Amino acid sequence: NAGVTQTPKFQVLKTGQSMTLQCAQDMNHNSMYWYRQDPGMGLRLIYYSASEGTTDKGEVPNGYNVSRLNKREFSLRLESAAPSQTSVYFCASSEQGLRYFGPGTRLTVT
Amino acid sequence: SQQGEEDPQALSIQEGENATMNCSYKTSINNLQWYRQNSGRGLVHLILIRSNEREKHSGRLRVTLDTSKKSSSLLITASRAADTASYFCATWPGNQFYFGTGTSLTVIP
Repeated sequence: NAGVTQTPKFQVLKTGQSMTLQCAQDMNHNSMYWYRQDPGMGLRLIYYSASEGTTDKGEVPNGYNVSRLNKREFSLRLESAAPSQTSVYFCASSEQGLRYFGPGTRLTVT
Repeated sequence: SQQGEEDPQALSIQEGENATMNCSYKTSINNLQWYRQNSGRGLVHLILIRSNEREKHSGRLRVTLDTSKKSSSLLITASRAADTASYFCATWPGNQFYFGTGTSLTVIP
């Protein structure tokens, strides 16, 4: 039981490049989330998916898109990366109100 | 705006001492949760306290909740070097999950 896995662990992009962050969970959870964590800001919700086939915007969705490919996988896409998107990104799934987090992706946009 | 705010932002104690961190929030909640984050890792759930509970224990952890003051505290007793981490409170008003900015705890061996 791997829990929540994320790839890649680290990524450096140039401004304007695109990339997709992958997330998968093997706990059969319906809900999945993408957060970003910045110093002094705590975690902020980017997008979430309450169930397969549905996605909704969170607190800071601008510049991102998501896909809930199936129940296991929830990907986050940056179409045109900007330096303001330099952050640590966490995927999470939840059951009965508890969040289970992946190890994070550290993204730097230069 | 963030729902939870932890206090203090940073705390440094000697091994064996108790560590107390506080969380204040803004609106009514269904429950409040505390998470730990070790450096470079994801958050791990520690304990959940429901809005109708006032105190909860789990091992060396003691959480209190005062809904009239909209605040919670996390007490770690007999701290260990392995407790060094950041601690976040998270509140669930009902439709969203909000994390605070965290307290960075350093336990000195």
